[in-house]
Amino acid sequence: SQQGEEDPQALSIQEGENATMNCSYKTSINNLQWYRQNSGRGLVHLILIRSNEREKHSGRLRVTLDTSKKSSSLLITASRAADTASYFCATDRSSSNDYKLSFGAGTTVTVRA
Amino acid sequence: DTGVSQDPRHKITKRGQNVTFRCDPISEHNRLYWYRQTLGQGPEFLTYFQNEAQLEKSRLLSDRFSAERPKGSFSTLEIQRTEQGDSAMYLCASSLARTGRTNEKLFFGSGTQLSVL
Repeated sequence: SQQGEEDPQALSIQEGENATMNCSYKTSINNLQWYRQNSGRGLVHLILIRSNEREKHSGRLRVTLDTSKKSSSLLITASRAADTASYFCATDRSSSNDYKLSFGAGTTVTVRA
Repeated sequence: DTGVSQDPRHKITKRGQNVTFRCDPISEHNRLYWYRQTLGQGPEFLTYFQNEAQLEKSRLLSDRFSAERPKGSFSTLEIQRTEQGDSAMYLCASSLARTGRTNEKLFFGSGTQLSVL
């Protein structure tokens, strides 16, 4: 079963605008990661935020984590056409022997030129 | 290019045939994962290896699926007696896990797209 759920399922924005997507998960985690997938390709890691962190930045990406609400958000600022892709959050579980990442169904982002 | 290679990129087969996919992870990575992804969904965990040991297999994985990672290097995923429901993208990923550290980022291959006719 998938641990994370992204919201919205799809997002269409104009180039230059910001895109925000959210992820909710069910169990306690060690870290949460965001990945991007272009159509027909594998996933590419974007950013990892640990359970003791609240916010992290990487270039035009900003990720927040609220462990009390079991939720995270990914903000892409000043979007570009090349940002058109599906974005997935992925979580592990904080039980000691569970190393696999569970992915949500993703948010499909379309950036219009 | 993430450094993880999968072969073939596409596979078309008839129902009932066996298929085998190969994954070559980044050479120093000790963990290797197989995921399956269908259209509009996120990757679904199938199994993973730490070095050559298969540590977990999803309950969703039927007995028709088997994976190996001999010598802790490349891995193969075999599906026997394929069914139309097996049609999906099969993704391989690898990571470097350090003692005492939790999961680090995964490096994914481009996947093998399987179509069962």
